[in-house]
Amino acid sequence: GAGVSQSPSNKVTEKGKDVELRCDPISGHTALYWYRQSLGQGLEFLIYFQGNSAPDKSGLPSDRFSAERTGGSVSTLTIQRTQQEDSAVYLCASSPRRQGATNEKLFFGSGTQLSVL
Amino acid sequence: KQEVTQIPAALSVPEGENLVLNCSFTDSAIYNLQWFRQDPGKGLTSLLLIQSSQREQTSGRLNASLDKSSGRSTLYIAASQPGDSATYLCAVPNNAGNMLTFGGGTRLMVKP
Repeated sequence: GAGVSQSPSNKVTEKGKDVELRCDPISGHTALYWYRQSLGQGLEFLIYFQGNSAPDKSGLPSDRFSAERTGGSVSTLTIQRTQQEDSAVYLCASSPRRQGATNEKLFFGSGTQLSVL
Repeated sequence: KQEVTQIPAALSVPEGENLVLNCSFTDSAIYNLQWFRQDPGKGLTSLLLIQSSQREQTSGRLNASLDKSSGRSTLYIAASQPGDSATYLCAVPNNAGNMLTFGGGTRLMVKP
């Protein structure tokens, strides 16, 4: 597609349920990022995928959070046993991340607004 | 640990004014700095990227400057319009280039 696509755009769930958030990056982009934006907070890095390399999971806040990227394209962020503090906008971004490149723009999706009741 | 700060947090100006948004960062060893725009309920749109070797970048009515040694960047918006109303964020990458550290943003309102 023309841009980064995220689904669903809104998700309301009950505390304790699992949720899956999907990100479809721009075709050909090898780098994919997940960020979280909470009300009144800045953007918080969650996880980074680059090609076939092992992902950088250093930003995941707890072991309830996991993410995978299949075939170097679509990514799914899974939150297990959701808590109210997980309520936030989850943003996905991609970039070409060409070899040796350090100056590339990031392209963001519109995000998934997650509300945990 | 890199910290990015944006001042002011919010700004309201009448249409037509020129304005400056500020961004400061604590670790000057950066590859680049990006300015983003975020509209309510939307994702972020990259406006300008300044490489560490550059001092400024221009796009239309926007001009971003970078002073690495002092850890500062400014976004200058000329002849502001109501359509410029949005939150503006600056961000710098870490050394590995696998994550950006964002400032808290400046929420801009341009009144007709």
